[in-house]
Amino acid sequence: AQKITQTQPGMFVQEKEAVTLDCTYDTSDQSYGLFWYKQPSSGEMIFLIYQGSYDEQNATEGRYSLNFQKARKSANLVISASQLGDSAMYFCAMREGIQGAQKLVFGQGTRLTINP
Amino acid sequence: NAGVMQNPRHLVRRRGQEARLRCSPMKGHSHVYWYRQLPEEGLKFMVYLQKENIIDESGMPKERFSAEFPKEGPSILRIQQVVRGDSAAYFCASSPYRGSKNIQYFGAGTRLSVL
Repeated sequence: AQKITQTQPGMFVQEKEAVTLDCTYDTSDQSYGLFWYKQPSSGEMIFLIYQGSYDEQNATEGRYSLNFQKARKSANLVISASQLGDSAMYFCAMREGIQGAQKLVFGQGTRLTINP
Repeated sequence: NAGVMQNPRHLVRRRGQEARLRCSPMKGHSHVYWYRQLPEEGLKFMVYLQKENIIDESGMPKERFSAEFPKEGPSILRIQQVVRGDSAAYFCASSPYRGSKNIQYFGAGTRLSVL
């Protein structure tokens, strides 16, 4: 079974619009962490934002926010006021456990294209 | 403050040759992780190392692949007798510790092409 599901293979958005990238996860752990990474066409992986399972507030980092709905097991990334430079692949990832396994499990990614 | 450094960025090998991929973690980071990315897919965990120790190698193929992180020097991912199916992007990440809010910062990756 997929641990991380990203249902949008591709998205096209007009510049300056807000965009939501979907991510659902599957875990039986109570403690886990959720991450979003950006991979531009140059290929590097850039950390964007983190949400811990016990964090009561949704995480925010500049134009990025994470809409964390624990009961629905979703961790959607919201990018406000999109820019041309936001065009990239976006990956949602999960780390299960806190002191245990440290590996990240990634989704298949969403390719976001920002149109001028 | 240099990020995670991987070299080479691109590596071409013929079938049967060996590939050595290097990763220098961020300054102050003693935890290193290797992931593999096939085209149009997400990253898949391979191995997690601390200095001189392999902590978790549950994602490593049983044969031909090995990893080390010596006391001095970079972490090395070694692939012996490469085959075409090894062609992929290999990413290294590092973190300062394990535990909650353990952010893994990635290098730019090594693109391995096997002819």
